[in-house]
Amino acid sequence: AQSVSQHNHHVILSEAASLELGCNYSYGGTVNLFWYVQYPGQHLQLLLKYFSGDPLVKGIKGFEAEFIKSKFSFNLRKPSVQWSDTAEYFCAVKGGVYGNKLVFGAGTILRVKS
Amino acid sequence: DTGVSQNPRHKITKRGQNVTFRCDPISEHNRLYWYRQTLGQGPEFLTYFQNEAQLEKSRLLSDRFSAERPKGSFSTLEIQRTEQGDSAMYLCASSLTTSTDTQYFGPGTRLTVL
Repeated sequence: AQSVSQHNHHVILSEAASLELGCNYSYGGTVNLFWYVQYPGQHLQLLLKYFSGDPLVKGIKGFEAEFIKSKFSFNLRKPSVQWSDTAEYFCAVKGGVYGNKLVFGAGTILRVKS
Repeated sequence: DTGVSQNPRHKITKRGQNVTFRCDPISEHNRLYWYRQTLGQGPEFLTYFQNEAQLEKSRLLSDRFSAERPKGSFSTLEIQRTEQGDSAMYLCASSLTTSTDTQYFGPGTRLTVL
């Protein structure tokens, strides 16, 4: 079955530290890739997405992600985190053999200490 | 610009009872998706509609679950004879069929089966 793996379930960082959250997916042809974020008490929000073109995509709030096709990866990065980035982050894939539905990873809970 | 709305936000029911949830998508979005999320997991796909047609159902969707989108606008998800294992957050998302089809999520309905 097609799957998405997020390497870390919990990450704790101090403010101003750099962030990288890993995401790998099993091969599925030409796919679209997404990062969603869920802040405490809020619903899932789109952070950024990749469909085609430049493999380095920029999203909201200073986040970016790089699609590396050869590694089936779409890691999320931010150079300097803030306390307000405390949230749960989900990587998701659709398209190709995944079809129109989103297949999500298990999520990474990020806690930023002030 | 209103987002995806879901009602009710919370539902507590006794085992064996039937429950129905409603989702109102972003207006003019022709695709509507249902997902289920349990603690510590990412959302899992249940089913989706394009207009009023139900195009895909997950194997997770047992015969106790049924979804409808009769006029291609709002959708309902019914669970008959609820079981404790049905306790979860039920999420709805909608999208517009384009080359960059992106799903936007509602706040979810949290179901607790006692």
